[in-house]
Amino acid sequence: EAQVTQNPRYLITVTGKKLTVTCSQNMNHEYMSWYRQDPGLGLRQIYYSMNVEVTDKGDVPEGYKVSRKEKRNFPLILESPSPNQTSLYFCASSVRDFTDTQYFGPGTRLTVL
Amino acid sequence: GNSVTQMEGPVTLSEEAFLTINCTYTATGYPSLFWYVQYPGEGLQLLLKATKADDKGSNKGFEATYRKETTSFHLEKGSVQVSDSAVYFCALNPAGTALIFGKGTTLSVSS
Repeated sequence: EAQVTQNPRYLITVTGKKLTVTCSQNMNHEYMSWYRQDPGLGLRQIYYSMNVEVTDKGDVPEGYKVSRKEKRNFPLILESPSPNQTSLYFCASSVRDFTDTQYFGPGTRLTVL
Repeated sequence: GNSVTQMEGPVTLSEEAFLTINCTYTATGYPSLFWYVQYPGEGLQLLLKATKADDKGSNKGFEATYRKETTSFHLEKGSVQVSDSAVYFCALNPAGTALIFGKGTTLSVSS
């Protein structure tokens, strides 16, 4: 089944404790992105990647890191999480670029205490 | 800059009612326009899209027409069902850069 998977789905952590949210797609897509969804703000892009080893900042990259060492994986790293990073996070992938259909993962709900 | 403005929700309708969710945009050039839907507890799914002026996107009874003269891409459905209850996001893609989403409109349909 073609899909985007994220892990974990739910995470409660404390301020400053490094964490990684994994994202994997099995569709051989070039583009991958991370978004955060907050009430009243909609979705905002954090980072995106156009191919292996090619990443760029989105609208809200502060406090996040990403890497794209393999085509299928695009982990999101929070080196020192803070409470304002409490949010619902989505990974997405698309065949070529953002005019193509974005396929979203199921989401990761992160709470930083 | 580039932006998307959606009507504020929630929108509450009875089954079989007509639905319109307004979406207007600001962008340079000729962006592609999208409607994505998010069902409870799930990620977003593409509902429909249009890539040039006067194009009409359609899917599952939903339609939206790309109106460049009014910079709009309003979502319509002639007869909503309870299963259409979800959050709807309008989005634009200006010249291949990242997607820009509206804030979302919650639709609640009762039987």
